[in-house]
Formats: sequence, structure tokens, C-alpha cells
Amino acid sequence: DVKVTQSSRYLVKRTGEKVFLECVQDMDHENMFWYRQDPGLGLRLIYFSYDVKMKEKGDIPEGYSVSREKKERFSLILESASTNQTSMYLCASSSRGAGANVLTFGAGSRLTVL
Amino acid sequence: AQSVTQLDSHVSVSEGTPVLLRCNYSSSYSPSLFWYVQHPNKGLQLLLKYTSAATLVKGINGFEAEFKKSETSFHLTKPSAHMSDAAEYFCVVSEPYNFNKFYFGSGTKLNVKP
Repeated sequence: DVKVTQSSRYLVKRTGEKVFLECVQDMDHENMFWYRQDPGLGLRLIYFSYDVKMKEKGDIPEGYSVSREKKERFSLILESASTNQTSMYLCASSSRGAGANVLTFGAGSRLTVL
Repeated sequence: AQSVTQLDSHVSVSEGTPVLLRCNYSSSYSPSLFWYVQHPNKGLQLLLKYTSAATLVKGINGFEAEFKKSETSFHLTKPSAHMSDAAEYFCVVSEPYNFNKFYFGSGTKLNVKP
């Protein structure tokens, strides 16, 4: 069974802390994504990566950075967490083949910043 | 740019009755269309996808959707609701030649009454 695994399901951090959210996929997908999901705002793209060491900003990159040192792993970094970054974070991956590029999602990481 | 409109934010049905979740899209191209389901505190799971083959698409758990180009719609249906169908459903559109662009609807929460 193919999987996208997010290392932490629930995290509680304090304002100003550095936060790492890890995501690993076992499907050999080229593309990986980080979204945040908030009530009433839907899913918003933070960053995506189409190859190792490659990244592009999504719609809301401010306050976040990412790292993709290996094809299977895509990390989201909050350099200095703030309360407005309390949210559900969803990692996804997709292939770059022809046809529909289906997003496969992880189970999500719910972050609370106090 | 593409957009996705889910016409109902909440739908409530009784167990055993039909389900209809509505989705309209705008697109300059022949899009790929998807429905995802999200149970509480979980990631998004693919229900079905349309990729320019048959216009009636069958998915998992008895769901199906019909692509109607003339109406730019991709409504999700199920003949008989089950309690386990209670979740949030997202309609998603992707651009055929842009692997990193996915447009999410705002979601429809389905409540199933006993």
C-alpha cells in the first residue's frame, strides 16, 4: 500500500520555537507539496518541490521554508513559530507522468502554537 | 486561471437516502477532476478521478461522478448513504499541462442522520 507518512500527528509548540514537520513518501514521486488547512479557508499551498533540492513558493510561503535533500523526504520548517501558524498541515505527493497527476496525502500534522 | 465552486457547504441526508454533492468548475482547458474525502483529523483520500475517458466515473465506497462539459459540472453522487460516509468532501481540478497546479473547492460537509 502506497503511503505518505507525516512524522507527527499532533504537536504543541511555543511562540518563537523552531518547528520541523517531516514528510516521507514511498512511491518514488517527483513532486511533493505542503498545504495548510484552516476552517473556512480550505487548503492553501505553502511550498512544493518538483525534484531534489528544487522548491517553489506556493500561495502562502511567508514564515515557512522547506528542504528536500532526498527524493522521498520533504520537510517544512517554521523558523520562529507564531500563534497564527496554528493549523493542520498536509503533505502530499504526485508523479510527473502523463495523464492525471493524482495527489496522495499524508494523514496530516495538527500544530498548535501557544 | 481555474476555479472550483462547491455549491453547498453542508449537506444533511438520512441513512439509506441518495447523496448529491455539487461541484462546478471554470477551466480554459480540458481539466482533470477529482473528488477527495476527509474524515475528521485525517488526510484527504481519493474517491475518484476524471481524466477525459468515460464521463461517468465510478469510485470507491459506491460513489460516482458525472463529468458534464456543457454544464462545467462534476457532481458526486451515491445511491444510498451510510453513516460512515459522514465526512468532508473536496472537489479538485488540475491543469492538464501543469503538474503542480491543483485547485481545491471549499469543501462540503456531509452529515448522515440515522
